[in-house]
Amino acid sequence: KAGVTQTPRYLIKTRGQQVTLSCSPISGHRSVSWYQQTPGQGLQFLFEYFSETQRNKGNFPGRFSGRQFSNSRSEMNVSTLELGDSALYLCASSERTWPYNEQFFGPGTRLTVL
Amino acid sequence: GNSVTQMEGPVTLSEEAFLTINCTYTATGYPSLFWYVQYPGEGLQLLLKATKADDKGSNKGFEATYRKETTSFHLEKGSVQVSDSAVYFCALSDEGGKLIFGQGTELSVKP
Repeated sequence: KAGVTQTPRYLIKTRGQQVTLSCSPISGHRSVSWYQQTPGQGLQFLFEYFSETQRNKGNFPGRFSGRQFSNSRSEMNVSTLELGDSALYLCASSERTWPYNEQFFGPGTRLTVL
Repeated sequence: GNSVTQMEGPVTLSEEAFLTINCTYTATGYPSLFWYVQYPGEGLQLLLKATKADDKGSNKGFEATYRKETTSFHLEKGSVQVSDSAVYFCALSDEGGKLIFGQGTELSVKP
């Protein structure tokens, strides 16, 4: 099976702009989670979508949003970008069967905000 | 709340040395535990997992045992190689399904 794919891999934006990142999960996986990775804060959970519904949300401001489509592909959107949003954004997919909730990660999208 | 604490890095070892990376956790309930590895410029790869107390996860010569009594999940490898140089993350998955990560431990193996 193909792995998790994320597009684009690199992105440069300026403050105040908005950005949309895309994630295609492993075929058959209905759960998609998003994480932000920064040198200062490490890996932090943003949100999870399962069957087009947000199931879980981390402690991020409302500028961070997401959605999932009927084919399980997911997008996340960040509006009014700030310098501190510069990070590696990782998407992970899983079959979400407890307790074997293995999450498989994509290569990430490196976002730089200038 | 749930949390994971890993030993500070970076850790520098010579090839064929023994590796231990300590990981302890705080959690309510019975989380699943994972070790992920991240190579430069890449995403995270699942290295091994354990879902209940006394389970031992193993893969590619790495091992970790789920110790509920000490709330630990230490990563070990008997003989490291240069190709093992990477950042290692310990994580738990609570019943809500999200992963909570430790801060990561950078491992550098010298020939």
